[in-house]
Amino acid sequence: EIVLTQSPGALSLSPGERATLSCRASQSVTSSYLAWYQQRPGQSPRLLIFGASSRAPGIPDRFSGSGSGTDFTLTVTRLEPEDFAVYFCQHYGSSPEITFGGGTKVETK
Amino acid sequence: VQLVESGGAVVQPGGSLRLSCAASGFTFSSYGMHWVRQAPGKGLEWVALIRHGGNNIFYADSVKGRFTISRDDSKNTLYLQMTSLRPEDTAVYFCAKDLIAVAIDSWGQGTLVTVSS
Repeated sequence: EIVLTQSPGALSLSPGERATLSCRASQSVTSSYLAWYQQRPGQSPRLLIFGASSRAPGIPDRFSGSGSGTDFTLTVTRLEPEDFAVYFCQHYGSSPEITFGGGTKVETK
Repeated sequence: VQLVESGGAVVQPGGSLRLSCAASGFTFSSYGMHWVRQAPGKGLEWVALIRHGGNNIFYADSVKGRFTISRDDSKNTLYLQMTSLRPEDTAVYFCAKDLIAVAIDSWGQGTLVTVSS
């Protein structure tokens, strides 16, 4: 089973700052099957990025994804107040074997 | 896309429960559907997937043999039958729509299942 490790566990930033979130896989994965989700307090998760770097419909271009192999990154270039939330990465493996990372909380400094 | 879960409740360990998810706004029969759960204050855990057509079904090891996912395309409804429930099954259960086997692109608001005596 592929394990996804997200870091840091929490990130304290101010609106307007840049956020860089990491997701590391325990073994190499195909980029096509790596996704990122945002979950605001009290809400359901929302798909941000699929295929490691493709933005889902309606997602602002301040969100971007990158990476390959075992190391993937979600970047938010300028944090808006509504971006303070928890972010999860996900691998959609074959079989299927679908796993989520533990999450990174982006909180207000 | 709208996904509305129902059926969550407080149930005793060893008990059973059936969750439902009413889907609208898309051609339900053409898409795979998932159940994903989230224990209070914790992360996301994938539970089960049923592909379009209903013949390909997959479960997480943690629920295999105890939970059954099914769908009724005539009613645009997804189900999760849960038996032999354990305290560790306590979670919000989300119904979610598959994105061509690469991600999950729509989520319901969730329904809370509490397993406690």
